[in-house]
This record gives sequence, structure tokens and C-alpha cells, in this order.
Amino acid sequence: EPEVTQTPSHQVTQMGQEVILRCVPISNHLYFYWYRQILGQKVEFLVSFYNNEISEKSEIFDDQFSVERPDGSNFTLKIRSTKLEDSAMYFCASRRGGVGDTQYFGPGTRLTVL
Amino acid sequence: AQKITQTQPGMFVQEKEAVTLDCTYDTSDPSYGLFWYKQPSSGEMIFLIYQGSYDQQNATEGRYSLNFQKARKSANLVISASQLGDSAMYFCAMGRDNFNKFYFGSGTKLNVKP
Repeated sequence: EPEVTQTPSHQVTQMGQEVILRCVPISNHLYFYWYRQILGQKVEFLVSFYNNEISEKSEIFDDQFSVERPDGSNFTLKIRSTKLEDSAMYFCASRRGGVGDTQYFGPGTRLTVL
Repeated sequence: AQKITQTQPGMFVQEKEAVTLDCTYDTSDPSYGLFWYKQPSSGEMIFLIYQGSYDQQNATEGRYSLNFQKARKSANLVISASQLGDSAMYFCAMGRDNFNKFYFGSGTKLNVKP
């Protein structure tokens, strides 16, 4: 069964460094999402992406964040200058399309900012 | 503002019994979708069930059913015949704006007792 994959599973970085989180969505899916979950808290929507552009973004998704689909398979989230409060689990999700079609989540990348 | 409320931070249920996890939502959109996800201690997000705002019948998926009361804006998850493996966090989510944006509740931690 096809699944969303994410790399790395755990990333440790120093405050102020740039990080790129990578995701490979399910191959025939058209809609892509990033979420974050701070430890012990709820899942928060960051951004959705369709047709090579951002569809929606939350207030969390400020200028420090960017997303890209550099080729036909990868979907990346870049944080330009990490802060301590960026430490969280980051989930990528993808959806084929159409109302009611659910999104499938990757296993997540745990980002630790020191 | 769009909002998902899960009022039960933690629940206990005896193995083989049924349990209901509450979810209420707030939206003025006529079209939206409601989802439930399971998050075991390993951290991944597992899709369980979906209910569309225009669906006339309550959704069912195996042991999971969704008690959808549109007028009350509630979408409670019912798990029948609980199993030890059902112990996990359960998140209710709402998709709107043609499912370009998703909102999650704060989750309910379910513990199934043997």
C-alpha cells in the first residue's frame, strides 16, 4: 500500500540554522500539507500546496518558512533560521483530490532545536 | 473563527466495551468534512473515518462509527468492542475551503483496560 514518507525521522539543529524537512507524498496525490505538533499538544496546520503554489497558510507559517516541490516526487519544508520554539514533530500529508478525500500522513520528522 | 473542541482529555474503557469520544465544531461554511485520526504512542497519524457535511448517513468503518449531529455541530467517534490496541490519542479534525485547510482538536487520550 502506498504511503507518505518523510526524512529524516529526527533532526537536531542549532538555533539560527536552516533546516529542510523532506517528504515524498503518495505518487498520484495532488494536494500536499505540512503540520506541526509541539510535544503533548494538538496538531497545527501550517500550509497546503496545490498546483505548485501555496493554497492556504496559517499564521504560524511566517517568512521563516517556505515550501517547495522541487521535482515530481519531493515536497520540502524549509525553516530559514530555526528558533527554540520550532522544536516539534512535523508531519507531511497528501491527498489525491476531491471533496471528502482524506489526507494521509507521513510518520513525521522530530525537529529538536538546541 | 473555525474551531474544533474535544472536551475529554482522557478516557478509560474496559476491553470489549464501546466508547464514545466527543467532538464539537464551529463553522459557518456549508461544506466541510470531519475526520478522526488515531495517534498511537509511536507518533504516526492514522486515518480512521470521514464524514461529509452533506452526508445523510453516519459514516462507519469496521468498529468505528461517527455519530454526526449536524444541528448540534457534533461528530462523535464511537469505537465498539474496544481492544487493547485502541489505546492511543484520538484527534478530531475538520477540513474546509475545499479541504485546503484543516483544523484539529486537542485530542482525547483513550486507555483500554484489560
